[in-house]
Amino acid sequence: DAGVIQSPRHEVTEMGQEVTLRCKPISGHNSLFWYRQTMMRGLELLIYFNNNVPIDDSGMPEDRFSAKMPNASFSTLKIQPSEPRDSAVYFCASSLRTSGSYNEQFFGPGTRLTVL
Amino acid sequence: KQEVTQIPAALSVPEGENLVLNCSFTDSAIYNLQWFRQDPGKGLTSLLLIQSSQREQTSGRLNASLDKSSGRSTLYIAASQPGDSATYLCAVFNAGNNRKLIWGLGTSLAVNP
Repeated sequence: DAGVIQSPRHEVTEMGQEVTLRCKPISGHNSLFWYRQTMMRGLELLIYFNNNVPIDDSGMPEDRFSAKMPNASFSTLKIQPSEPRDSAVYFCASSLRTSGSYNEQFFGPGTRLTVL
Repeated sequence: KQEVTQIPAALSVPEGENLVLNCSFTDSAIYNLQWFRQDPGKGLTSLLLIQSSQREQTSGRLNASLDKSSGRSTLYIAASQPGDSATYLCAVFNAGNNRKLIWGLGTSLAVNP
């Protein structure tokens, strides 16, 4: 299995531009998570989906951030317009949610976003 | 509100030393605690997961303990090697209404040959 795939790996853009981050979860997984990592705040959950449906988006910082999961094999995180304070590493993770409260999450390599 | 703290923030040791990384959390209402490894430019790899009913888990040279009542976990690395150099993250999965992973900021470990 190729694992969780994220693209692009690096993105440099100017303030005000739209940024789209992409994620392909592990085949067969039914939960997908978007995280943001910064030096000051560490890892923060932005949003997660179960069976392509957004369950908890309370971590999405502002309306400039939006996420979609049109099918089981693809998700996007969009920032429009981007700001310098959005600079961070964005991780996507997926898991197979069965019974019980928690199932191990598998992480992608991340997208390092720099907004100038 | 759950908060996870990791001490120390950074650690540098000579090869071969045994070492302990610490993680503390403020709310004992957790389902489990997990230790991850993060290498530069790469994602996170799960090392050990301890369920709330367990006291410890072992994998090779790694041993993680959990004392839920005191809100503490330790990751013990035996006979450290340069390949162990990475950032180690601790995360707890909250019980109750706020069911999500809450993360520490990590301990950056350098093992020197």
